[in-house]
Amino acid sequence: DTAVSQTPKYLVTQMGNDKSIKCEQNLGHDTMYWYKQDSKKFLKIMFSYNNKELIINETVPNRFSPKSPDKAHLNLHINSLELGDSAVYFCASTPHANTGELFFGEGSRLTVL
Amino acid sequence: GDSVTQMEGPVTLSEEAFLTINCTYTATGYPSLFWYVQYPGEGLQLLLKATKADDKGSNKGFEATYRKETTSFHLEKGSVQVSDSAVYFCALSTTNAGKSTFGDGTTLTVKP
Repeated sequence: DTAVSQTPKYLVTQMGNDKSIKCEQNLGHDTMYWYKQDSKKFLKIMFSYNNKELIINETVPNRFSPKSPDKAHLNLHINSLELGDSAVYFCASTPHANTGELFFGEGSRLTVL
Repeated sequence: GDSVTQMEGPVTLSEEAFLTINCTYTATGYPSLFWYVQYPGEGLQLLLKATKADDKGSNKGFEATYRKETTSFHLEKGSVQVSDSAVYFCALSTTNAGKSTFGDGTTLTVKP
């Protein structure tokens, strides 16, 4: 059983389109995150939800909108995709917001043409 | 704010060589420290951690000691293998931030 699973694993789309990435964790964790990893492997936090409530919202364009229907799911919707959005997006979870240790999904590679 | 500085890569070693990847940090409060490893095409996974000063984390032959006096958490392995080729990330977490701060990652390539 995959602990943190993301779909799709690969996304190729045109500039201007809208796309979504879904994440589910079966670990019973309270807190989930979205991270962006660029081509140089730098990791940047985007959002965090604790029990469906947004607790971290870093400087991210409004085109990115996270949604957490329940504490096991955190989805990421991106409007009006731009070339610079091309990256690998990682979902992660942790038992509680202060735990520190993160459990990552396998990533979703987004390519914007 | 919190920050993590890692040794720049890439690092290339021969099999059975000794590995050190340096990591220093600045943080408000008392952070927990982590090393994560990312194998090609995969997500990050926890390699080892230490939650207080002088703690040593260890796993799969890797070790790191939490040094408060030098604000460091250097990763070491006595004899690397080709299968250790990956990107290694140092990270910290403080209870008041609710998020982890990552270093820039160090790419390690081990040649047979």
